[in-house]
This record gives sequence, structure tokens and C-alpha cells, in this order.
Amino acid sequence: GENVEQHPSTLSVQEGDSAVIKCTYSDSASNYFPWYKQELGKRPQLIIDIRSNVGEKKDQRIAVTLNKTAKHFSLHITETQPEDSAVYFCAADTGANNLFFGTGTRLTVIP
Amino acid sequence: DSGVTQTPKHLITATGQRVTLRCSPRSGDLSVYWYQQSLDQGLQFLIQYYNGEERAKGNILERFSAQQFPDLHSELNLSSLELGDSALYFCASSGSGRGGSTDTQYFGPGTRLTVL
Repeated sequence: GENVEQHPSTLSVQEGDSAVIKCTYSDSASNYFPWYKQELGKRPQLIIDIRSNVGEKKDQRIAVTLNKTAKHFSLHITETQPEDSAVYFCAADTGANNLFFGTGTRLTVIP
Repeated sequence: DSGVTQTPKHLITATGQRVTLRCSPRSGDLSVYWYQQSLDQGLQFLIQYYNGEERAKGNILERFSAQQFPDLHSELNLSSLELGDSALYFCASSGSGRGGSTDTQYFGPGTRLTVL
């Protein structure tokens, strides 16, 4: 099955700086890559996703890039704010609607 | 609010007991997924139902079972509970889940299960 690795496990940045979280996947058939943000004790919320026919997608301060050849994708958050502090999960799906999640990155934005 | 509802919010029970968690998907969604999230752990996929039928199985223990009813709500049954079953259990739903193309999964608020 698919195996998704996520790095780093923890990340601290100063407010206003950028944060980058990286994920790799093993199954070349994976074609859908969502990112979820989870605040403490809350539900995972989709913040952005990308499909394999696209190399990059942006939504305001958030962007995701995908390198299919290298089988990795990354989340970029610019101009970080304290409310960006949360755990971020990447995931990959081969089209069978089974999401395989990474182990999460705890992002702390220091005011 | 994702539109996915789960009950109860919290559940405290003893080892050896059996509990049922309930999930109602977003209006119009046919697929329901169950995930387990242990403390400081990632999300482990348990099982998926599509329009009443089991579609995919993940790391679901034999002590656990699920079903999806004609009105599309789903229940996750956990039996012979052990201390290690304490976790957050999330339900998610998506539009189709028939495979071939992937629909976004929207998560419910979760049920926090504590086994004492």
C-alpha cells in the first residue's frame, strides 16, 4: 500500500516568516494530495489540495507544490500568523478514495 | 462546520465493554470513512462504506466493526475494549468514493473514547 512520510515533525517559526512542510509518497499511482490542518482537540480541516495534473496551487498565503517524478509534495505558508499554529497532515490517495496520512507536523508560530 | 456530525462527543467506559459511535455524513455524500487517532498520533484509516456497502478496509481490528444504513448514517462498533483503544475516532464523508477519481473528505468533530 501507499506510504507517506512527512518532515519535520515539529517546526517553530517567527511570526511573519515562511514555513515549509515536506512529504514523500511511495505509490506512483497516487494522484490526489490534500493537506489538513488540525487544531488541538478539533477535526482535521482541509486547507488545500492538489491533483497530479497540476504542479502548483496557491490560495492566499498557502501554496502546495507537487513533483511527481520525485514523488514528493510540499506545503508552503507565507507570512505566518499565530493562528497558523496547529498540526498539519499531508495525505495521498491513489484514486481509490483511501487517504494515507503522514505523521503530522506540529507548527508553532512565535509572536 | 463541515456538515458531518458525530455522536457522542465523549465516551468513557471500562475495559471489556462495547460501545457504538455514530456518524451522519454531509447531505448528499454517499461515502463514509472511519479513522482512529491515538494521542499525538496520525490518522489511521479503519474502514470505508459507500452507499451501504463496505468499500475498503484499513487497519481495523477484528473487535471493531461498522455498517452504513439505508439513510447513509454509519455506526462503528467497538467491542472487548482495551486501554489502548482510547483515542479520538473521526468519521469523514465524501461525495462518491466509487474510485477512479478522488472526492474531498470532510471530517466530523470526532468522538473521544476513554477506556478505563
